[in-house]
Amino acid sequence: DAGVTQSPTHLIKTRGQQVTLRCSPKSGHDTVSWYQQALGQGPQFIFQYYEEEERQRGNFPDRFSGHQFPNYSSELNVNALLLGDSALYLCASSLGQDNQPQHFGDGTRLSIL
Amino acid sequence: AQKVTQAQTEISVVEKEDVTLDCVYETRDTTYYLFWYKQPPSGELVFLIRRNSFDEQNEISGRYSWNFQKSTSSFNFTITASQVVDSAVYFCALSEVQSTDMRFGAGTRLTVKP
Repeated sequence: DAGVTQSPTHLIKTRGQQVTLRCSPKSGHDTVSWYQQALGQGPQFIFQYYEEEERQRGNFPDRFSGHQFPNYSSELNVNALLLGDSALYLCASSLGQDNQPQHFGDGTRLSIL
Repeated sequence: AQKVTQAQTEISVVEKEDVTLDCVYETRDTTYYLFWYKQPPSGELVFLIRRNSFDEQNEISGRYSWNFQKSTSSFNFTITASQVVDSAVYFCALSEVQSTDMRFGAGTRLTVKP
């Protein structure tokens, strides 16, 4: 039973570039959430996708966008990268919309130079 | 607005000691969920427990136990007879029923020394 998988594991970009991170949910899950975790801090909610729609969004600028595909996998896109975007990006999946436990991937470590 | 506070930034204990990680939360909702996650050095957040606001029964799972007290808005986590493998960052999180936004605390780094 495959868990949540994220790619790539690590990524190095420069300011102003664009990046796409990918996530495959745990088998049987239909909801995907994305979080940003800065060093030494707790994860911060970016947004959640369900039925290919953005269901809820945290306090992140429009530079952060996403997509969910019919197979429930998801992408996180960040445009015009800033140094402050350097963080661990975590994808979590769950079933349905009733606050079920979220299962997390290992994350993508994004470094901006 | 929802908020989770984990006042203990770092805790260090010797193996076999008991340790309690504190979590205090704020919410205006009457229905909400509380969670604990463990984050080992590998980075993956591991789900430990979910508790809804109507269930104040304490829960025990092996060496882990959780004490939920609505009167003090606390959801504390105790590890009994700690082991080196318990070393990790532990996060408490809150999710209001009308929201999918899971709000995490800043985490407590637990180091268990042999």
